[in-house]
Amino acid sequence: QKEVEQDPGPLSVPEGAIVSLNCTYSNSAFQYFMWYRQYSRKGPELLMYTYSSGNKEDGRFTAQVDKSSKYISLFIRDSQPSDSATYLCAMSDRAAGNKLTFGGGTRVLVKP
Amino acid sequence: SAVISQKPSRDICQRGTSLTIQCQVDSQVTMMFWYRQQPGQSLTLIATANQGSEATYESGFVIDKFPISRPNLTFSTLTVSNMSPEDSSIYLCSVGRGQYNEQFFGPGTRLTVL
Repeated sequence: QKEVEQDPGPLSVPEGAIVSLNCTYSNSAFQYFMWYRQYSRKGPELLMYTYSSGNKEDGRFTAQVDKSSKYISLFIRDSQPSDSATYLCAMSDRAAGNKLTFGGGTRVLVKP
Repeated sequence: SAVISQKPSRDICQRGTSLTIQCQVDSQVTMMFWYRQQPGQSLTLIATANQGSEATYESGFVIDKFPISRPNLTFSTLTVSNMSPEDSSIYLCSVGRGQYNEQFFGPGTRLTVL
């Protein structure tokens, strides 16, 4: 079993809908949680990062962390065709040198 | 954040040869990382490159195959040695920054081995 599980999709939604993405993990030592967006043939771009449990909002993006359930989510409101990309969750543990462990990525397609 | 560049952006190589990938950052950073992303897959950490010390390799990656240099705080190279078609991947460098050591990625080097 992988340390971080993420549904590969593809997830197809109409423009303006809410995109809901999530990851589950098994390592309770993870403390830092990040979401990256990767367009085709580009490097990953950091979208959100959070520490421990709770919510964080930035514009159309909301990240949630539930450490008790080992579950993190990313919500994209008012989705746009430009949001079509692969979204990767990543996690790290300071005691392990802050190395990132990535989920497999979810491909999202927002249709106009 | 950080501005990170990689050279080359892509290359097609013959099996048995070696390719050195360069990573340049616009400011000094302590931690640099090298990743591999195989087609349709997520990112796998190859090694952590710290200036002034030997790189730390992850399980399944060895220095003879992926030698790394880190001559200063803004630059690193990764060499893919004695290449085979299985080495065809995107190779990405990243740097750690910020309170949570968030990582910022370069654009990647797309390698095809024939």
